[in-house]
Amino acid sequence: KAGVTQTPRYLIKTRGQQVTLSCSPISGHRSVSWYQQTPGQGLQFLFEYFSETQRNKGNFPGRFSGRQFSNSRSEMNVSTLELGDSALYLCASSLDRGLGEQYFGPGTRLTVT
Amino acid sequence: SQQGEEDPQALSIQEGENATMNCSYKTSINNLQWYRQNSGRGLVHLILIRSNEREKHSGRLRVTLDTSKKSSSLLITASRAADTASYFCATDAETSYDKVIFGPGTSLSVIP
Repeated sequence: KAGVTQTPRYLIKTRGQQVTLSCSPISGHRSVSWYQQTPGQGLQFLFEYFSETQRNKGNFPGRFSGRQFSNSRSEMNVSTLELGDSALYLCASSLDRGLGEQYFGPGTRLTVT
Repeated sequence: SQQGEEDPQALSIQEGENATMNCSYKTSINNLQWYRQNSGRGLVHLILIRSNEREKHSGRLRVTLDTSKKSSSLLITASRAADTASYFCATDAETSYDKVIFGPGTSLSVIP
């Protein structure tokens, strides 16, 4: 089976812009979660999607949003980018809801200048 | 502060030695997982232990869970240079079924 794929792998944006990141889960996996990883804050949970519905959301401002499509692919969007949004954004897929074994993608490295 | 916190923050050992890292958490959990992250393979799931389990093995990995102390340990036996990575514990919270919380990680260096 192909692993979790994320596009793009690297992205440079300017403050105030918006960005959309994409994640394709492992075939058959229905749950997709997003995480932000920074040296200062570590790995932080952004949100989880299951059956096209957001099931849980971490402690992030409303500028961070996402969605899931009927084929389980997911996108996350960050609007009005700030310098502090520079991070590695990781997507993880799992077979079902809840804390099961998660398979992570390689991440999208976002740099905001 | 974090739900899960690993200890020590950094560990350096010689190849062939055992490495032990610990994770403490604050609230009741359904289960706990350990992950490894290195630049080559990204974040990889190692092992999951459920709250009603006390010990689990997978190859050279041994995980223990003490729910009374709210702590877990990961033992890597006969370490190899390829085990050099950051290791994270991740927990859910029994009251928040879907939410996953990662600790800050232990950075392990295995010296050949």
